[in-house]
Amino acid sequence: DAGVIQSPRHEVTEMGQEVTLRCKPISGHDYLFWYRQTMMRGLELLIYFNNNVPIDDSGMPEDRFSAKMPNASFSTLKIQPSEPRDSAVYFCASRTGGETQYFGPGTRLLVL
Amino acid sequence: AQSVTQPDIHITVSEGASLELRCNYSYGATPYLFWYVQSPGQGLQLLLKYFSGDTLVQGIKGFEAEFKRSQSSFNLRKPSVHWSDAAEYFCAVDRSGGGADGLTFGKGTHLIIQP
Repeated sequence: DAGVIQSPRHEVTEMGQEVTLRCKPISGHDYLFWYRQTMMRGLELLIYFNNNVPIDDSGMPEDRFSAKMPNASFSTLKIQPSEPRDSAVYFCASRTGGETQYFGPGTRLLVL
Repeated sequence: AQSVTQPDIHITVSEGASLELRCNYSYGATPYLFWYVQSPGQGLQLLLKYFSGDTLVQGIKGFEAEFKRSQSSFNLRKPSVHWSDAAEYFCAVDRSGGGADGLTFGKGTHLIIQP
């Protein structure tokens, strides 16, 4: 298997622009997670899905952030409008049942 | 709420020396515990996990960890480190304890290997 795939790997944008991060989970995995990593806050869970349904979005920082999972093989995390404080590495992870979460390589976002 | 504490932000170890990275958790029930490693610019790779059973768990790359309920600890060890072990190490606990939720991570320990 190719593992969790994220795109783009790097994104540089200007404040106010819309940013869309993409994730393809491992085939057969029914849970998908979005995490954010910053120096100040470390790794924090933003939202997770089970069978394409959002289960817990309490970690989403504010209404500018939204996430969707239209099917079992694709999820997006959107920031609109973006702000400099959104600069971080965003990780997607997936797993099945009670097993281990497998992480993607991350998207490094810089908002100028 | 669950929490994970990694008290050492940085640790420096000589190549070939033994290593122990500390992790303490706060959780009411039996936790699902994990250690992940992150190399610079890379994603997170699972080293090992504890769900139940034998409290000493073996992982990849020669790492092991011991779950001690009485101390709420899950320390990571390696008998002899290699320069390639230099990385960031994260301890994590499954939020629900049943494997059905996201992970709460510690702030990480940055491991530096001296030649």
